[in-house]
Amino acid sequence: GQNIDQPTEMTATEGAIVQINCTYQTSGFNGLFWYQQHAGEAPTFLSYNVLDGLEEKGRFSSFLSRSKGYSYLLLKELQMKDSASYLCAVMDSNYQLIWGAGTKLIIKP
Amino acid sequence: TAGITQAPTSQILAAGRSMTLRCTQDMRHNAMYWYRQDLGLGLRLIHYSNTAGTTGKGEVPDGYSVSRANTDDFPLTLASAVPSQTSVYFCASSATSGSHGELFFGEGSRLTVL
Repeated sequence: GQNIDQPTEMTATEGAIVQINCTYQTSGFNGLFWYQQHAGEAPTFLSYNVLDGLEEKGRFSSFLSRSKGYSYLLLKELQMKDSASYLCAVMDSNYQLIWGAGTKLIIKP
Repeated sequence: TAGITQAPTSQILAAGRSMTLRCTQDMRHNAMYWYRQDLGLGLRLIHYSNTAGTTGKGEVPDGYSVSRANTDDFPLTLASAVPSQTSVYFCASSATSGSHGELFFGEGSRLTVL
């Protein structure tokens, strides 16, 4: 079967750095995506990786290793507004998105 | 720009009743999707449409039906609701079905079936 694994919950301090990991096993690979979802709101797109390496976008970076079936989302200079769930999703060989259950990130002052 | 609009935002429904969740987008996207989101689970695809006039089944289609008469609208119907259909439902769209997965989501419809 196909599955995406990510930690259920993480806690970090305002101003610090946090890394959210995602491992996947899917039938084929056509890219990995990170979405942010604030409580009670819709998910919003953060990043897309299809080649190995690091993609940087402001305070957020996303890394991919296809050989290891592994990605991480790195958030720097954490702000209280970063408190949200972060969803990892992989597009399989049929171009269907397979979603992880999400990591709830709690930021403490 | 409105993006994607879902209605209703919240509904309580008696088991056995029918219900249609409405979804409208104004981005002229070809592909549209219905997901359900349950605590502890990832988003699960119910039905999708790659273009107006076509629909397909996702991971959890049973008990749901969709139609795509035009580009903008993609309603989801529960013919006879059951308590296991209690969930938050998200409609989403993308420019094309394989467009790097960047989905645009509506604000969600919270459905409770009693």
